[in-house]
Amino acid sequence: DQQVKQNSPSLSVQEGRISILNCDYTNSMFDYFLWYKKYPAEGPTFLISISSIKDKNEDGRFTVFLNKSAKHLSLHIVPSQPGDSAVYFCAASGIFGNEKLTFGTGTRLTIIP
Amino acid sequence: ETGVTQSPTHLIKTRGQQVTLRCSSQSGHNTVSWYQQALGQGPQFIFQYYREEENGRGNFPPRFSGLQFPNYSSELNVNALELDDSALYLCASSSLGQGAIYGYTFGSGTRLTVV
Repeated sequence: DQQVKQNSPSLSVQEGRISILNCDYTNSMFDYFLWYKKYPAEGPTFLISISSIKDKNEDGRFTVFLNKSAKHLSLHIVPSQPGDSAVYFCAASGIFGNEKLTFGTGTRLTIIP
Repeated sequence: ETGVTQSPTHLIKTRGQQVTLRCSSQSGHNTVSWYQQALGQGPQFIFQYYREEENGRGNFPPRFSGLQFPNYSSELNVNALELDDSALYLCASSSLGQGAIYGYTFGSGTRLTVV
């Protein structure tokens, strides 16, 4: 049962444009949603998170939007830079006693110079 | 502030053998979690430890076991290795209750190959 889904295995975006990565989930009990970036031969690096009681969180070039009614979240990267080329994972978590991360399968983002 | 370090980086084992993977948590963190990432998949939660006790477990058989030590370092042990255990094993640390908010810190992983 795939509780967190990333339906786009790959995405290519021109440098300077907006990158939009999407994620869907099925479990309405998740408390937080997180985005991680992963380079080859490195562990995932935390980018940004959002509480289930909010609909937007911003940190520099990264903005995460949460649509609870649609069970959908998205990560916007503006402007996209070559260093953003990586695999992006969406993850969901409970808190305090239920802190496991449930990951999607990832989206490979390629920024074209 | 040191990050999460894992050892070894690569390992080759034979089916049926046992393996121990090690992790040093980030300074100041008191929980450690282990994840298995198969090729082309997202990481799958194995278990989490807090104050040397298991604090949650994913859908993995008992031959996957762990330890957390007083200095918050950790071990993942896998007995009776199977070919399907070949994967990248990731360790992640956080402070209890804060990982979802501020992000868990992951190590670079141990690539285990079972032949």
